[in-house]
Amino acid sequence: DAGVIQSPRHEVTEMGQEVTLRCKPISGHNSLFWYRQTMMRGLELLIYFNNNVPIDDSGMPEDRFSAKMPNASFSTLKIQPSEPRDSAVYFCASSFQGPTTGELFFGEGSRLTVL
Amino acid sequence: AQKVTQAQTEISVVEKEDVTLDCVYETRDTTYYLFWYKQPPSGELVFLIRRNSFDEQNEISGRYSWNFQKSTSSFNFTITASQVVDSAVYFCALSEQSGGGADGLTFGKGTHLIIQP
Repeated sequence: DAGVIQSPRHEVTEMGQEVTLRCKPISGHNSLFWYRQTMMRGLELLIYFNNNVPIDDSGMPEDRFSAKMPNASFSTLKIQPSEPRDSAVYFCASSFQGPTTGELFFGEGSRLTVL
Repeated sequence: AQKVTQAQTEISVVEKEDVTLDCVYETRDTTYYLFWYKQPPSGELVFLIRRNSFDEQNEISGRYSWNFQKSTSSFNFTITASQVVDSAVYFCALSEQSGGGADGLTFGKGTHLIIQP
């Protein structure tokens, strides 16, 4: 079975450019999470969706960040305009959340470098 | 607010030694879940274990074992007879159950484990 698929794996862009990261969760999972990993702050939850609905976006750093989940099989995280401090690895994860918390399955991450 | 503390930033041991990674958590919920993930040098995050707050039994899986103690809010991870392939960053994480649904995981800062041959 395919795991969580993220694209691109690597992205190098210049400050001010728009960046779009994509995620395809595991089929049948009903929750999707976006995390950011940096050396300084570790793994931070940015936003998560249950049944395609954003539940908690309190981790989104600022208005330059936005996330969408138009259907159960696709999500995007957009940064506009990008800044050097956005450089990080962005992970997407999915799980099946029922009465109990399921394990999160992570994608391989998208490494973003903003020059 | 929930919080996970992994006080050990880096641990280095020689192969075949036993090593314990500490994890202390804070939560106000009575229902919660604890996790351990492994992040090898390749970068992916690999699930190791999930434990709910009502199950304090220790778990053993091969060379891995976990000690959950609610009295001290700890969920420690022990690798017995460590191997070079165990070298990775290990993350402890907590998820609270609220309103009938589950929220995202809060991760500790991770412990970088180095196994020297």
